[in-house]
Amino acid sequence: SQQGEEDPQALSIQEGENATMNCSYKTSINNLQWYRQNSGRGLVHLILIRSNEREKHSGRLRVTLDTSKKSSSLLITASRAADTASYFCATDPLQGAQKLVFGQGTRLTINP
Amino acid sequence: DVKVTQSSRYLVKRTGEKVFLECVQDMDHENMFWYRQDPGLGLRLIYFSYDVKMKEKGDIPEGYSVSREKKERFSLILESASTNQTSMYLCASSLLMWTGYQPQHFGDGTRLSIL
Repeated sequence: SQQGEEDPQALSIQEGENATMNCSYKTSINNLQWYRQNSGRGLVHLILIRSNEREKHSGRLRVTLDTSKKSSSLLITASRAADTASYFCATDPLQGAQKLVFGQGTRLTINP
Repeated sequence: DVKVTQSSRYLVKRTGEKVFLECVQDMDHENMFWYRQDPGLGLRLIYFSYDVKMKEKGDIPEGYSVSREKKERFSLILESASTNQTSMYLCASSLLMWTGYQPQHFGDGTRLSIL
C-alpha cells in the first residue's frame, strides 16, 4: 500500500519562484527520500533525510522532516524551467525489509 | 555512474501472450526491483530480489513472476498478458540497505500496451 502522500498533486509556478511540495506518511521510518522523474524517463534520486535529522540541503534543494507529524517537505529555490518534472517522496519503513514505499507524486511545472 | 538498462522502451503485445521484460544493471547491486507506474496510483512494487535466485513478492504480484539467474539481470514475466497490465514498468537496483543508506537507481522504463 502507498504510504507517502504528496501534496499538492500538481503545482505551476513562474521561473525564479520557490516551489514547495509536501509528503505525509503513516508508519515509523528509517529515512525518507525524494526522487525526480522527467516525462517518460525513470526516477532519479535527489536527497535523503534520516529519521533523526530535521533539515537537509543540497544545492537549491531543502528538505525538512517532522517525525512527530509524519511529514516532510521539499523546497526548490529559484526554480528553473529544467525543474519541470514529477517529484516523489519514498519512505524506508522500519519494518520495510529492503523496500521503499513511494507516494503518488507532485507534478511541478515551471513557466518561463 | 550506475546504469540500469531495460530492454525495450515501448512494447505492444496481445492478450494471452507470455511477455518478458528484461532489466540489466552494471554496478554489482544486490537488490533489484520491478515497479509498475499508473496515473493516480504512483509506483507500486511488483517483486524484488536481494540475491541471485531469491525473490520476494511486493504489493501487487498477481499475474506476474520474476527470474534472477544472474546478479546483473532481473526479468519480469507476465504469464498471460491481460489488458489491465497495460502500464509503465520500471526496474531499479540498489546495494543492500543494511550496509547503510543506498538510493535506488532506475531504468528509463518500458511502456507496455496489451491489446
